[in-house]
Parts: sequence; structure tokens; C-alpha cells
Amino acid sequence: EAGVTQFPSHSVIEKGQTVTLRCDPISGHDNLYWYRRVMGKEIKFLLHFVKESKQDESGMPNNRFLAERTGGTYSTLKVQPAELEDSGVYFCASSQGGRTRQWNTEAFFGQGTRLTVV
Amino acid sequence: GEDVEQSLFLSVREGDSSVINCTYTDSSSTYLYWYKQEPGAGLQLLTYIFSNMDMKQDQRLTVLLNKKDKHLSLRIADTQTGDSAIYFCAETRGGYQKVTFGTGTKLQVIP
Repeated sequence: EAGVTQFPSHSVIEKGQTVTLRCDPISGHDNLYWYRRVMGKEIKFLLHFVKESKQDESGMPNNRFLAERTGGTYSTLKVQPAELEDSGVYFCASSQGGRTRQWNTEAFFGQGTRLTVV
Repeated sequence: GEDVEQSLFLSVREGDSSVINCTYTDSSSTYLYWYKQEPGAGLQLLTYIFSNMDMKQDQRLTVLLNKKDKHLSLRIADTQTGDSAIYFCAETRGGYQKVTFGTGTKLQVIP
């Protein structure tokens, strides 16, 4: 069974450009999360989808970030226009839905996309 | 607000024990986790502990929780070179999906 996959693994763009990150969760997982780690700092929550709906987007830094999850399958995170401080590693994770709303031990992370804005 | 802190770097010799420490501020934390990130890989859940427990042991890993001091530690016995990675402490409150991570501790194992 494929794990959580993220594309691209590394992206280098100039300030002001647009970048779109993609996450393919594990098939059948209703919950999808985006997290970000800025250089040397903690990993911070960005948002949480349940199927195609945004359950919690309280961690999104500003309106330059747009996340979508078409049809409740894969998700994209677009940064437009990118700024220098957006550089970091963007992680996606997924977990099954069900009765529990808790982050459980069956949440799986992708390998992350390293974004460098120059 | 929630805050999870860790030291940034730890260096140990192969065969020694490693102890990675973490402090958190949210007294309502109910689940505490240790994740491992190897170079080029995603985050891997190593172990977790419920807040009503003091200790959990899993093979070479021992997790200690001092809820009064909001202090969590991960002890790796007989540390191997394959244990070299970044270790993240994380916490969440029961019934809520948002997870708060620490800054990560980079463990370097010297042969």
C-alpha cells in the first residue's frame, strides 16, 4: 500500500512567483493535514481537511496561501505570491476518519516538500 | 497558548544511552508523542504516551512523563548510528486533531 506522497520533493522559486504543492494521502483516509517547518523552528499546523471540507484552517499564515482538496482525494497548497519567509519544509499527513476525532497513532506523514524562495 | 520546547542538538557515542528532553505548556495535553525524522524522509511516529501514565517502555525506547513539571523525555538505550535523526516531541489535547510539535532535537551518534 502506498504511503502519503508529496510532490515535488524540492522546489526553488523566486520571490513573487507562484508554487503549488501536492499531497496524495493514503487511499481511504478522510483526514488530511498540512504542516510546515520553517528553518530550525517547530513544525506548525496549517490546516486540516475532512474529506473535501476544511475542518480547521487556523494555522494558515495569510491569504497568500490557498489549500484545496478536490473531491476529497489529493490536496494542493498554493502559495501566491511567494515570499522569502515562506521557505521551509511543508509536510502533509493523513489519517482515517471514523468515530474518533483524535489525532491517532495511525496518522502517516509524507516525506515533505522543501520550498526555497530566493 | 501551546508551546513545546526541546534542545536543538544532542551528540552521543554509539552504545551509550541518549536522553532527549521536552517541555510543554498546555496542561490540558492528553497525548504526547515522539516522532523521528531521518534525512530525506517523513515523520515517523516512534511512540506515544497518555497523560495519565508516567512511563512507557518499548524495546530500546523509554518514555518518561512528569505531568506536574510538564516534562517529557525519550531515552534510547544502546544508541546505534541508525538512530541518528531529528526527534520531535508533540502533544495534542483529547478530541482535537491539531498537534503541536517542538522544534526538534538533532541526535548525532558518533561511531
